Amino acid sequence: DAGVTQSPTHLIKTRGQQVTLRCSPKSGHDTVSWYQQALGQGPQFIFQYYEEEERQRGNFPDRFSGHQFPNYSSELNVNALLLGDSALYLCASSLAGGETQYFGPGTRLLVL
Amino acid sequence: SQQGEEDPQALSIQEGENATMNCSYKTSINNLQWYRQNSGRGLVHLILIRSNEREKHSGRLRVTLDTSKKSSSLLITASRAADTASYFCATAAGATDSWGKLQFGAGTQVVVTP
Repeated sequence: DAGVTQSPTHLIKTRGQQVTLRCSPKSGHDTVSWYQQALGQGPQFIFQYYEEEERQRGNFPDRFSGHQFPNYSSELNVNALLLGDSALYLCASSLAGGETQYFGPGTRLLVL
Repeated sequence: SQQGEEDPQALSIQEGENATMNCSYKTSINNLQWYRQNSGRGLVHLILIRSNEREKHSGRLRVTLDTSKKSSSLLITASRAADTASYFCATAAGATDSWGKLQFGAGTQVVVTP
């Protein structure tokens, strides 16, 4: 039973560029959440997708957008990258209304 | 902003000792969860305690919750070198459809030396 997978594992971009991160949820899960974790900090909630719609959103600007596909996989897009966007981006999956989230290994993004 | 705050920020112990870390939070919750993270990788779910529970055990882990004080503690007994990691508390609050929004603290970094 595959867990949550994310790609790529590492990414280097320059300021102003755009990036797309990908996530495949744990088998049987239909809800995907994205978190940003800066170095030395706890994860911060970005948004959650269920039934291909954004259900909840944290305090992140519109430069952060996402998508969920019919197979429940998800993408996180960040436009106009800033140096401060450098972080570990974590994807978590769960069943709708489920209390426990299962996290992927993350994508480490470095913005130069 | 962080909902929870862990204390201490860092903890260094020897194998076989117990490790205790605390978490305080600000608003009412539905449940509180503890996660472990090794070397900046993905988070592993350890244990969940609901707001109407006071104590929960899972293997060498013991979690307590005091909703009147808005605090929780995680005890790891008989620690092992493999327990070296960062530990985070996360809270879920609000209506059922908002449970997905976990709010994390800044974590406690635990180092267990052989």
